[in-house]
Amino acid sequence: AQSVTQLDSQVPVFEEAPVELRCNYSSSVSVYLFWYVQYPNQGLQLLLKYLSGSTLVKSINGFEAEFNKSQTSFHLRKPSVHISDTAEYFCAVSGQGAQKLVFGQGTRLTINP
Amino acid sequence: GAVVSQHPSRVICKSGTSVKIECRSLDFQATTMFWYRQFPKQSLMLMATSNEGSKATYEQGVEKDKFLINHASLTLSTLTVTSAHPEDSSFYICSALIDLPSGNTIYFGEGSWLTVV
Repeated sequence: AQSVTQLDSQVPVFEEAPVELRCNYSSSVSVYLFWYVQYPNQGLQLLLKYLSGSTLVKSINGFEAEFNKSQTSFHLRKPSVHISDTAEYFCAVSGQGAQKLVFGQGTRLTINP
Repeated sequence: GAVVSQHPSRVICKSGTSVKIECRSLDFQATTMFWYRQFPKQSLMLMATSNEGSKATYEQGVEKDKFLINHASLTLSTLTVTSAHPEDSSFYICSALIDLPSGNTIYFGEGSWLTVV
């Protein structure tokens, strides 16, 4: 069985400041890892994913996450955030086949001007 | 554009009635779809896996007779909440599994808000 822990339920930061959203997982098998973003009253959008290969994955809007197998982590980072990044961010894990997703509790990112 | 579409986006129904939520994959076939439930300010909880042409697989603790899932075609899965009660009020989200050459990819619908009064 897999599980995901997002250590921070809320992260407030100032605009243009860097941010890191933490995600740790546990699994007895090889995993695929995902970050999803949910804007208010909307569904989920895939931000980025790690399936294999390079442990550093990047999204088109400046976010990146690094898969660290030894620390069982997949933290999400952005060097400079914008107001529009305000949203709920979910880390998720799946086993081989990348089908059933297990989600973390979510982290609410609030950007202050 | 949207890859997975849910309808309705919002629905209000009376306690004791049934309500159907549709999940459609646009421009691709999805043999597998998933239904999640999200309570306010909480994470998504997988309710069931919907497989085209066969019975859905429900997660532990989910009442299959209350949450009826039908995956009648390769582009449509429906979730019917039967005899709805106020505690069924929630945000329901579906996702569809797409098999791409680069690997499986999951796309989520926009979600459906259900309010039972």
